[in-house]
Amino acid sequence: GESVGLHLPTLSVQEGDNSIINCAYSNSASDYFIWYKQESGKGPQFIIDIRSNMDKRQGQRVTVLLNKTVKHLSLQIAATQPGDSAVYFCAESPNQAGTALIFGKGTTLSVSS
Amino acid sequence: GAVVSQHPSRVICKSGTSVKIECRSLDFQATTMFWYRQFPKQSLMLMATSNEGSKATYEQGVEKDKFLINHASLTLSTLTVTSAHPEDSSFYICSAAGSQPTGESTFGSGTRLTVV
Repeated sequence: GESVGLHLPTLSVQEGDNSIINCAYSNSASDYFIWYKQESGKGPQFIIDIRSNMDKRQGQRVTVLLNKTVKHLSLQIAATQPGDSAVYFCAESPNQAGTALIFGKGTTLSVSS
Repeated sequence: GAVVSQHPSRVICKSGTSVKIECRSLDFQATTMFWYRQFPKQSLMLMATSNEGSKATYEQGVEKDKFLINHASLTLSTLTVTSAHPEDSSFYICSAAGSQPTGESTFGSGTRLTVV
């Protein structure tokens, strides 16, 4: 079936480093992509999103890159902090109202001081 | 911003009993609500989609008679796990979509269900 997946299950970085979390998706019809952060025992927290008519979008300390040619999505976190430690999921949605998000498998980011 | 409140955050119940989980949109009207289940160290898996005033649409493999979903108003959806068994122990998360553009959903904080 069609799914969204992440390349690495875990990523360990030092505080202050830049982190890059990758995701590959397979549904070429997907129009909307989101990155979520999930801390233990909590629901997903929206980080940043991007639509298929864009290839880059920046937020505060975060950047999402979308490469539709190879169906690849990445999340870049600048100056990673211990508070960024969490599981990160990418999710996709087709261009259809009322359709649920499809989540990737998640990458656990560990930031050491 | 949009807020979704989910209760309870944790619940422990005995095998064979039923548990109800509530999901409320606090500051917007949720025309569609989604229920997900997440097992430890795994991703969120969609269980069902419900539209206000309509019957829920369940994903393949999800028993509709076991996981009862009610979406009677634009601000409230409930998931009832009936005759719960230990294998139903999981983290249940709702999300709500309203007048936002396609794909944008707000998630609740999740409910940790433990069946003993």
